[in-house]
Amino acid sequence: DIQMTQSPSSLSASVGDRVTITCRTSQSISTYLHWYQQKPGKAPNLLIYAASSLQSGVPSRFSGSGSGTDFTLTISSLQPDDFATYYCQQSYTTPRWAFGQGTKVEIK
Amino acid sequence: QVQLVESGGGVVQPGGSLRLSCAASGFTFSNYGIHWVRQAPGKGLEWVAFILYDGSNKYYADSVKGRFTISRDNSKNTLYLQMNSLRAEDTAVYYCAKDGISVAGSFDYWGQGTLVTVSS
Repeated sequence: DIQMTQSPSSLSASVGDRVTITCRTSQSISTYLHWYQQKPGKAPNLLIYAASSLQSGVPSRFSGSGSGTDFTLTISSLQPDDFATYYCQQSYTTPRWAFGQGTKVEIK
Repeated sequence: QVQLVESGGGVVQPGGSLRLSCAASGFTFSNYGIHWVRQAPGKGLEWVAFILYDGSNKYYADSVKGRFTISRDNSKNTLYLQMNSLRAEDTAVYYCAKDGISVAGSFDYWGQGTLVTVSS
């Protein structure tokens, strides 16, 4: 199985900060990597698909990059609504989809 | 707009059974595969099962294989998850999620979730 490692597991940041979350996989998955945001008590919401494509309706301050084994989710200017937990997910090993362990973004 | 609404969760004893439903609207249900994803309290997301658009193929996580069965009724726009031989570790919020329109294998719409608690 492909191992997925998100880092950091949590971070504290201020409104307006640039935030970067990393997802690393144990073997190459091309760009079969997607990012989700989840707020407490709510379902996850797709932000980025195929490593770098912005899902419709998602603010442009969110961006994704990477291919192979190293991927990044960037929030260019953190907003109050962005405090949440973020998950990466790979779909390379279909039909064995898997998520990273999550990164909690908290208010500093 | 796309809507997925889960139901059927509740409290069940270890070894018991439960059937979850996911009612879909706002898209052509019979054109898309659908997933079940779960989240144990305070934990991360775990993919559980997937069914192709026409029900012809079904896939399961190792943790539920042989105990859970995914099915769908395209005439009713409804997805199901039959859960048997339930264990304490199956306690979680269960979400149904639509397979992505842009990239298969991403989950572009999710329901609000239904809580399953396995406890004596």
